[in-house]
Amino acid sequence: GDSVTQMEGPVTLSEEAFLTINCTYTATGYPSLFWYVQYPGEGLQLLLKATKADDKGSNKGFEATYRKETTSFHLEKGSVQVSDSAVYFCALSDSGGYQKVTFGTGTKLQVIP
Amino acid sequence: NAGVTQTPKFQVLKTGQSMTLQCAQDMNHEYMSWYRQDPGMGLRLIHYSVGAGITDQGEVPNGYNVSRSTTEDFPLRLLSAAPSQTSVYFCASSAPGTGEKEQYFGPGTRLTVT
Repeated sequence: GDSVTQMEGPVTLSEEAFLTINCTYTATGYPSLFWYVQYPGEGLQLLLKATKADDKGSNKGFEATYRKETTSFHLEKGSVQVSDSAVYFCALSDSGGYQKVTFGTGTKLQVIP
Repeated sequence: NAGVTQTPKFQVLKTGQSMTLQCAQDMNHEYMSWYRQDPGMGLRLIHYSVGAGITDQGEVPNGYNVSRSTTEDFPLRLLSAAPSQTSVYFCASSAPGTGEKEQYFGPGTRLTVT
């Protein structure tokens, strides 16, 4: 079945540091790929997405590129802020009738001033 | 729009008690889902629905029931609570499509079973 593997956390960075959170996936067919973010005490919200190979999703300075050859969708940001502290989930959605979504285990990011 | 709402926000149950977690959305989304979030395990799908009157099991359905009588509401029932059901529960909704549609999540219900 489908699966998503993302790097273990927590990740602690100083403000303005470069962020990479690795995500790889296993899926049949042509899934859509997502990054969701969860701030403390809240539900998940979409950060960015890509729906086909070589697409780049971007939002709020974050970006990720759908790499079919390496089955990866790594999240990057050039300069993190304290307000970026949250848990980040990589996810894929199959193209079936229900669009079943498979989530990674989440990576907690803490940014210190 | 309120989006996806969930009640209650917190709940403590004793083993063997039953309860219903409420979920409602005002975006006219056909698809709705229930997930549980446990440390180190990400989100796991409990049950889902592709429209009023249609539900199906997800990855971890045992101990839970759902029904979908309207497009807006998708309650989750715990039949006889067990400590293993201590978790944070999220309801989500999405529009139908070919996989590219995002899910909209409620704020969650934190359940403790003693």
